[in-house]
Amino acid sequence: DIQMTQSPSSLSASVGDRVTITCRASQSIRSDLNWYQQKPGKAPKLLIYGASILLSGVPSRFSGSGSGTDFTLTISSLQPEDFATYYCQQSYSSPCTFGQGTKVEIK
Amino acid sequence: QVQLVQSGAEVKKPGASVKVSCKVSGYTLTELSMHWVRQAPGKGLEWMGGFDPEDGETIYAQKFQGRVTMTEDTSTDTAYMELSSLRSEDTAVYYCATYRGAIYGRFDPWGQGTLVTVSS
Repeated sequence: DIQMTQSPSSLSASVGDRVTITCRASQSIRSDLNWYQQKPGKAPKLLIYGASILLSGVPSRFSGSGSGTDFTLTISSLQPEDFATYYCQQSYSSPCTFGQGTKVEIK
Repeated sequence: QVQLVQSGAEVKKPGASVKVSCKVSGYTLTELSMHWVRQAPGKGLEWMGGFDPEDGETIYAQKFQGRVTMTEDTSTDTAYMELSSLRSEDTAVYYCATYRGAIYGRFDPWGQGTLVTVSS
């Protein structure tokens, strides 16, 4: 199975900050990498797929980059509604696997 | 657009089985590839299995082989996930999610989740 490792596990940031979350795969997954946002008590929501393709309706402050084994999710200017946990997920091979999550908290 | 509505919370004793449903609206189930993902309290997301349209078969994560059965009732557009021989470690929120994209497969959307509590 492909292991997905996110860093950091948690971070504290202020409204307006630029936030970057990284995700590393244990082997190359091309660009088969998705990012999800999950708020407490809610189901995950897809933000970005194919490493960098923003889902329709997702604010443009979210962006994704990377290919191969190293990926990043960037929030250019953190908003109050962005405080949540973010997960990466690879769809390159079965079984699909998720990172352990990065919790973005208010500073 | 696709909407997924899951059945309500369940409390089960160790050794019992649970069957969670996921009702589809906006599309027919035959147009979708339904998968199941679970999340233990305070933990991350764990894929359990789902329908592989390329093979026309349901595939299961090795961890759950022999204990999980995923079925579909196309007459009611409802997907089911049954997990047997429950143990305390199976306490989790279980989500159904549509897997889409021939290229760049992804889970979108997700059901609201069903909490299954296993306790004696």
